[in-house]
Amino acid sequence: EPEVTQTPSHQVTQMGQEVILRCVPISNHLYFYWYRQILGQKVEFLVSFYNNEISEKSEIFDDQFSVERPDGSNFTLKIRSTKLEDSAMYFCASGDTSGTSTDTQYFGPGTRLTVL
Amino acid sequence: GESVGLHLPTLSVQEGDNSIINCAYSNSASDYFIWYKQESGKGPQFIIDIRSNMDKRQGQRVTVLLNKTVKHLSLQIAATQPGDSAVYFCAENGLNAGNMLTFGGGTRLMVKP
Repeated sequence: EPEVTQTPSHQVTQMGQEVILRCVPISNHLYFYWYRQILGQKVEFLVSFYNNEISEKSEIFDDQFSVERPDGSNFTLKIRSTKLEDSAMYFCASGDTSGTSTDTQYFGPGTRLTVL
Repeated sequence: GESVGLHLPTLSVQEGDNSIINCAYSNSASDYFIWYKQESGKGPQFIIDIRSNMDKRQGQRVTVLLNKTVKHLSLQIAATQPGDSAVYFCAENGLNAGNMLTFGGGTRLMVKP
């Protein structure tokens, strides 16, 4: 069964450093998402991406964040200058080709980001 | 404001019993609801979904019920097994342009052998 994969599984960085989190969505999906989950809290939406542009973003997704689909298989989340409060699990998700509001989203295993 | 929330943070059941996990939502425009299971250290795993034009949907050992009148969603797990132990999240999609999912706070299901 196709799965969303993410690398690395754990990223440790110093405050102020840039990090890039990588995702490989399910191959025939066209809709991509990033969510995050601070330890012990609910999953929060960051951004959705379709046709090489952002469809929607939350208040969390400020100028320090960016997303990119550099090739036909990868989808990345970049944080330019990490803050302590960026420490969280970051989940990538991808959706079916329908792109409707009833689009099921499938999640990857997550990258745990620890900012020191 | 609009929110998706869960009634019980922890549910403990005996192996073999049925489990019911509840969720309340406040966005009447939501038209799609999903239940996810999250095991420790893993990402949310899709369990079952339901569209707003339905009241009930059944899967393998799981049933989702939707009551639009009171904006309530429930997940029923039949013959609960130790492998069902996890945190369960409900999520809604409120017809926003970017298909953003809004997650509830999660209920931890603990299955006692």
